[in-house]
Amino acid sequence: NAGVTQTPKFRILKIGQSMTLQCAQDMNHNYMYWYRQDPGMGLKLIYYSVGAGITDKGEVPNGYNVSRSTTEDFPLRLELAAPSQTSVYFCASSAQSPGKEQFFGPGTRLTVL
Amino acid sequence: AQRVTQPEKLLSVFKGAPVELKCNYSYSGSPELFWYVQYSRQRLQLLLRHISRESIKGFTADLNKGETSFHLKKPFAQEEDSAMYYCALGEGSGDKLTFGTGTRLAVRP
Repeated sequence: NAGVTQTPKFRILKIGQSMTLQCAQDMNHNYMYWYRQDPGMGLKLIYYSVGAGITDKGEVPNGYNVSRSTTEDFPLRLELAAPSQTSVYFCASSAQSPGKEQFFGPGTRLTVL
Repeated sequence: AQRVTQPEKLLSVFKGAPVELKCNYSYSGSPELFWYVQYSRQRLQLLLRHISRESIKGFTADLNKGETSFHLKKPFAQEEDSAMYYCALGEGSGDKLTFGTGTRLAVRP
């Protein structure tokens, strides 16, 4: 199993550009998450999903959109990139059970100039 | 609002010395607490969770509800323990996590 995969690994965007960060998991997990991590800070939850067709906002959702059309995929969309969105983005997934472990992807480092 | 505090950004110890990584939390409900670790060039991964009451790689953590703490301990640090350690608090059923800012543990030979 590949676990959680993310593409791309690195990306540089200009202000105002759009892009989609891809995330996929092959563990048949219902729950998926997007986090961002700024330098010296902890991970902050952007959006999460408890199953296909269901998404909800996390702590810092502004400037992002998500969709969950399949169990496997959970793309994160940036519509109008801003320098404040420069960060490392992590996708994670977990099974539906109490105290469950989240499995993380390798991260995408995004710079907006 | 729930919050996780890791007061130390960097903890440097010699090999064989005891280690304690501090974590305090703020949460009105019944907490679920976790320690995640990220070794160099590896993904963030679960180290241990309080409900399991287990010891992983020699690390233990006890939930102290009175002091709202979940400190991570190891009696004898090894060089391979060098990594970033994050304390995380799960709300409700534990499906959403609030992370602390992390502590970098550096174990010197």
